[in-house]
Amino acid sequence: AQSVTQLGSHVSVSEGALVLLRCNYSSSVPPYLFWYVQYPNQGLQLLLKYTTGATLVKGINGFEAEFKKSETSFHLTKPSAHMSDAAEYFCAVSFGGYQKVTFGTGTKLQVIP
Amino acid sequence: EAGVTQFPSHSVIEKGQTVTLRCDPISGHDNLYWYRRVMGKEIKFLLHFVKESKQDESGMPNNRFLAERTGGTYSTLKVQPAELEDSGVYFCASSQAGFGGYEQYFGPGTRLTVT
Repeated sequence: AQSVTQLGSHVSVSEGALVLLRCNYSSSVPPYLFWYVQYPNQGLQLLLKYTTGATLVKGINGFEAEFKKSETSFHLTKPSAHMSDAAEYFCAVSFGGYQKVTFGTGTKLQVIP
Repeated sequence: EAGVTQFPSHSVIEKGQTVTLRCDPISGHDNLYWYRRVMGKEIKFLLHFVKESKQDESGMPNNRFLAERTGGTYSTLKVQPAELEDSGVYFCASSQAGFGGYEQYFGPGTRLTVT
């Protein structure tokens, strides 16, 4: 069975500082990996995805994530945090195709001015 | 192109009552999914439709939940009778058939409160 672990339910960073949100997954087959973001009072928005190919994937709003198979990780980073990045971030995995998505518990990012 | 829409955005009902949530997927998307997030926990899969057929309903919690997808278009999720533990946010998602089917587009969710 696949599972996703997000380290830290709450992360605080200063404006302009590096954002690092950690995600580890467990899967018996190569997974598809996703990061979703939920801004206050909005739905889930796909931030970026890894399916195949290049292991460093770039998403919207300056975020990127690197798939590391040996570490079963897919950490999300952004070099410089903006106030507008305050939201809840979800790491997720699927087996691809039309399969269900399994989510982590979410990490709320607070950006301090 | 319109996104996934859900109705209502909020619903407050009493224990024992019935509630029906509706989801309109992106036009042309054959795949439709329901997920639920109970307070403080992860978003969990409920079921998956391919057109009007249930492909996977392994996440449905019990027989108080009934999902339908009329004519392969919109879908409804009925909870009858509602219990306190059914409170949460219910998300609908859709994806297209074919190679792009792995990308699910989510609606804004319906927040259900059972009192």
